[in-house]
Amino acid sequence: AQSVTQLGSHVSVSEGALVLLRCNYSSSVPPYLFWYVQYPNQGLQLLLKYTTGATLVKGINGFEAEFKKSETSFHLTKPSAHMSDAAEYFCAVRPAGTALIFGKGTTLSVSS
Amino acid sequence: ETGVTQTPRHLVMGMTNKKSLKCEQHLGHNAMYWYKQSAKKPLELMFVYSLEERVENNSVPSRFSPECPNSSHLFLHLHTLQPEDSALYLCASSQEGAAFFGQGTRLTVV
Repeated sequence: AQSVTQLGSHVSVSEGALVLLRCNYSSSVPPYLFWYVQYPNQGLQLLLKYTTGATLVKGINGFEAEFKKSETSFHLTKPSAHMSDAAEYFCAVRPAGTALIFGKGTTLSVSS
Repeated sequence: ETGVTQTPRHLVMGMTNKKSLKCEQHLGHNAMYWYKQSAKKPLELMFVYSLEERVENNSVPSRFSPECPNSSHLFLHLHTLQPEDSALYLCASSQEGAAFFGQGTRLTVV
């Protein structure tokens, strides 16, 4: 069965510091991979997605992620954190023809 | 504006009530989903509709009853719920690749 593991349920960074949120997946075939962000009492907003092609994917709000097949990883990064980045982040995998499978989420805190 | 609209945004209901959650998508997608998000638990996929037919039902109790009358609308009918059903209920739609989510309905069962 396909699954997604997000390492660290809570990550804290200082404003201006690098953001790194980790995601590993298990899949027997190359999957579609996604990162979503959720602000309190809101739905999930798509940050970026990997389907095929370039393994470094750029998303909204300065985030990017790199698909590494050899490591079965799809970590999310941002060079410089902003206070407005504080939210919960979900990694998801979509096996062919099925619904998204989500990780448990990582809460990002940003301090000034 | 994500193109997926959920109503109501907040709902408080007693355990003997019957209510319905509504989801509408304006993206031309052919698949729609209900997810449940409870505090400190992962997102749970409840139902999947593809081309208006239910293709997945993840062992959801019968007190939750979905309805998909057309490709743009999805309902979740609720009856005799339990307090543990209190959660954020999220609707999503997709065509290929990413799913797009509504803002959710915050349900409280009292």
